[in-house]
Order: sequence, then structure tokens, then C-alpha cells
Amino acid sequence: GQNIDQPTEMTATEGAIVQINCTYQTSGFNGLFWYQQHAGEAPTFLSYNVLDGLEEKGRFSSFLSRSKGYSYLLLKELQMKDSASYLCAVQDSNYQLIWGAGTKLIIKP
Amino acid sequence: GAVVSQHPSRVICKSGTSVKIECRSLDFQATTMFWYRQFPKQSLMLMATSNEGSKATYEQGVEKDKFLINHASLTLSTLTVASAHPEDSSFYICSARDPGQGRGEQYFGPGTRLTVT
Repeated sequence: GQNIDQPTEMTATEGAIVQINCTYQTSGFNGLFWYQQHAGEAPTFLSYNVLDGLEEKGRFSSFLSRSKGYSYLLLKELQMKDSASYLCAVQDSNYQLIWGAGTKLIIKP
Repeated sequence: GAVVSQHPSRVICKSGTSVKIECRSLDFQATTMFWYRQFPKQSLMLMATSNEGSKATYEQGVEKDKFLINHASLTLSTLTVASAHPEDSSFYICSARDPGQGRGEQYFGPGTRLTVT
């Protein structure tokens, strides 16, 4: 079966760095996405990885290792507004998005 | 970036009534749109995939006669919740895939919060 695992909840301090991990087992792979979702709002696109390595975009970076079925989202210089759920999603061989359950990130002052 | 709108943003209705939710891609043509449901503190649950000009593909456990999907044009898909009941109260979100973007990312509408009393 297809499966995506990510931690349910994480807590970090304002100004610090946090890494949210995602492991996956899917039938085929056509890219991995990270989305941010604030409470009561729709998800917004953060990053896309299809090749191994690190993609950096401002304070956010995303890493992929296809051989390990593993990705992480790295958030630097955390701000209170980064408190949200972070969703990992993998596009399978049929270009269907398989969603993780999301990681709720709590930022403390 | 691609923009998807959704209307209405919030609706409260009585049990037994039908509710229609519209999803529009504003600056691109979406051959494929997706409908999700999200209960409080839970993750997104894909309900159906809507393809322009053809019947929607429903996920297992989703009643096609209750959640009617129409994708009549390349910029509009509608979800009608037929004879809504309190257990249908949820956050409904649509998304669209821009075929011009090779990555296949989905752009989400702002969501519709449905409350059935």
C-alpha cells in the first residue's frame, strides 16, 4: 500500500531552526511537495522536489533522498507566523497526490 | 502564481437542503480539479477527482449520489452536497492542477466551511 509518515506535532522556539521529516512508500514517484496550512485555511504550496538534494527558498529548504524514500522541510529563523500544519505529499506514478497526515508546528516565544 | 477561487466561503443550512459549492481557476485552464474534505484537526481527505467533460472519479467510501460533481468547463467545477445532514458539516476545499506547470502541483481554493443544523 501507499504510505506517508510525518510526526504529528512538533514544538520549536522563535528564532530557532526546525526540521520536519517525511518518509514515504508509494507506487512510483513523480515528485514530493510540501504545503503549509494555517488553521481554518486552505493549504499553500511551499516546495517541490523531484531530484535528490536540497532546494532552498528563503527561510525554507526542502531535501529529498529518493533511494531512502525520505524528505525533510527545514525552517530557519522561526517566526510566530510559522505556527501551522505542514503537509508532505507525494505524486505517484499516476500523478495522484498521496497526502501525509500533516505535522502541527507550534512556535513558542 | 495560479489562483483558484471558491464560493461561498461559508454556508449554514438546515438539514435536508442541498448546497452547491463553486470552484474556479481564475488565470489558467484546469483540465483536472480535486475536491477535498477536512474535519477539524484532521488531514485532507480526497473525495473525488473531476475531469473536464467527463464523469468524476470518486474515492472509496464517498457517495457519488450525495456529492455531485460537475466539471462543465475548463475553469469551473461544482460540488453539490445533496440533502445535507449535520454529519456533512466540514471544511470543503477544491484544488486545480495547471497543465502548463510541469510539476503537477495543485493550487487550492480558500475553502468552504459548511455547517448543517
